[in-house]
Amino acid sequence: NAGVTQTPKFRVLKTGQSMTLLCAQDMNHEYMYWYRQDPGMGLRLIHYSVGEGTTAKGEVPDGYNVSRLKKQNFLLGLESAAPSQTSVYFCASSYLQGATYGYTFGSGTRLTVV
Amino acid sequence: DAKTTQPTSMDCAEGRAANLPCNHSTISGNEYVYWYRQIHSQGPQYIIHGLKNNETNEMASLIITEDRKSSTLILPHATLRDTAVYYCIVRELSGGSYIPTFGRGTSLIVHP
Repeated sequence: NAGVTQTPKFRVLKTGQSMTLLCAQDMNHEYMYWYRQDPGMGLRLIHYSVGEGTTAKGEVPDGYNVSRLKKQNFLLGLESAAPSQTSVYFCASSYLQGATYGYTFGSGTRLTVV
Repeated sequence: DAKTTQPTSMDCAEGRAANLPCNHSTISGNEYVYWYRQIHSQGPQYIIHGLKNNETNEMASLIITEDRKSSTLILPHATLRDTAVYYCIVRELSGGSYIPTFGRGTSLIVHP
């Protein structure tokens, strides 16, 4: 199994350009998440989804949109990229069995906005 | 804000035990404590989790206090490859769902 796959792994954008980050999981997990990580910071939640067709805002949602049309995919969109969105983006997925949850991360996407 | 408090950094000599503390004083009765680590800028990796009893696996041990307000991750014989940022995670209610929240974690440096 591939687990959680993020594409692309690296990207350089110009200010104002748009792009979509793709996260795909093959573990049949219900929950999916997008985080960003800046130097010296922990992971901050951007958006998350508790199931196909549902999304919700996290801690830092401004400037991002998401979609979960299929259970296995969670897309993160930047409509008009800004230098402040230069970061490493991590996708994660998890199951939920009672109060336990397995949490699997992708390897990250390094985005630079110039 | 994350519901956990961890020291910003720690160091440990190779071969010694590394004990990483975490305070989670507002944890609810049925919530698990999870530990993950992040090596360099890779995606965080699962280490261990527990509810109220001490847990041990091939990577580490987890000691949870009886009142569940704090826990300690123990790496019994730290190696240089254990140098990483360690995150203690509990879920918190957000928009009707319980969502795991990461703080800044503890940067552990294992030195020769």
